[in-house]
Formats: sequence, C-alpha cells, structure tokens
Amino acid sequence: GAVVSQHPSRVICKSGTSVKIECRSLDFQATTMFWYRQFPKQSLMLMATSNEGSKATYEQGVEKDKFLINHASLTLSTLTVTSAHPEDSSFYICSAKGVWEDTQYFGPGTRLTVL
Amino acid sequence: AQSVTQPDIHITVSEGASLELRCNYSYGATPYLFWYVQSPGQGLQLLLKYFSGDTLVQGIKGFEAEFKRSQSSFNLRKPSVHWSDAAEYFCAVGGATNKLIFGTGTLLAVQP
Repeated sequence: GAVVSQHPSRVICKSGTSVKIECRSLDFQATTMFWYRQFPKQSLMLMATSNEGSKATYEQGVEKDKFLINHASLTLSTLTVTSAHPEDSSFYICSAKGVWEDTQYFGPGTRLTVL
Repeated sequence: AQSVTQPDIHITVSEGASLELRCNYSYGATPYLFWYVQSPGQGLQLLLKYFSGDTLVQGIKGFEAEFKRSQSSFNLRKPSVHWSDAAEYFCAVGGATNKLIFGTGTLLAVQP
C-alpha cells in the first residue's frame, strides 16, 4: 500500500515553455501533497504544501507564479513549471499523506531538463 | 532553528560489515523522525520512523534506529550490510506541521 506515482519520469523542454508534472496517490486518498526539489548531490528542499481543494502554501523564496500547484482531487496534484529556464532543471519529487497519516510517501521523481 | 545534520557525506563499508549512519537534529517540539533511502534517479523509500514509545525502532531491510533524546540523535544501524544497500540515506525530522526537514544525506558504498 501507500504507492505514489509521478508522470513523466523524465522531461526535456525548451527554454520558455511550460511543463506539467503529475503526482498521484494510487491506493489511498492524499489530503496533503508536498512538492520537493532536489539538486544534484544535495538534499530535498520543500517547495510547497498543497491540501486538496485549497491553495498551496509556498516556502519562502519559491515563486508561486512560476511553480503553479493544483490539488484538485484526493489522488492528484500537479506542478506546472511556467516559462521554464535552464536554472529550473532539477529533480522534482512529490510526496503524499493521508488524513490519518503521519508519514509522507514519496513518488519516484521527475527529472526536468530545460535546454 | 530546526535542522538535521548528517555529518558523514560518504561512507564505504565492506559487505557483511556492520553499519551506523549518524543523524542529529534540532527541533523545538516533539520530533517525528524518519530515515529514507534513495537509489540513483529514484524517489525516497521509507526505512523506518519514530513517533513515540520504544526508542529502538525496527524498519525494513534489516535496518534499525535508536532515538536518544539526550543526544538529539537518531542513528541508523544495520548489523550486516549487503551490496544492495548501496544508496543514499536521508534522515528527516517533522512534527505536527507535517513539514519534513531533511539532512544532506549520506552516500553509502559497499565494497565486495
């Protein structure tokens, strides 16, 4: 149980385009989903927390207009990187937590490369 | 300030040897503590967690960790390492806010 998927696993895009990453909880209802960014050989940095049906809460320094997060259902959250630039290239990982859970379950991550 | 310190960036052990990965934390409230493992290009898999109760917790793959409040530590141990244990290990602390703060990770290499 507690499986989280992400799609796509890898994406390459041109600078200036937008990219959408999906995060799904496959076998539980995720009332809260988290989006992290991981730079090479570094730890995970929390970008934002989203609760189903409400606006995401962004961490300090994260541009909400650039990283659009939608959590429209209890099993799906999306992260859209708008007008992507090479510095947005990174490994993006989502996690999900059920209402009675104290544990976050992580997706496999999405490698974004912006040319 | 809330933080997690993993003092060992890289550790190499021989297969069959014992392993201890260190984790120290700073957290203002009662901490929830986690160890995750990440294989290259993959997401994180939960190894074990501590919320309360017995300070020695057992996890998957033969791992265990001990919570020592007086030392603000939550070190991960395994009595006999297997080659498949080679990966990066992250310690994390969280609480009622659900936000996780991660350490910088320890990369484990296993020699045959």
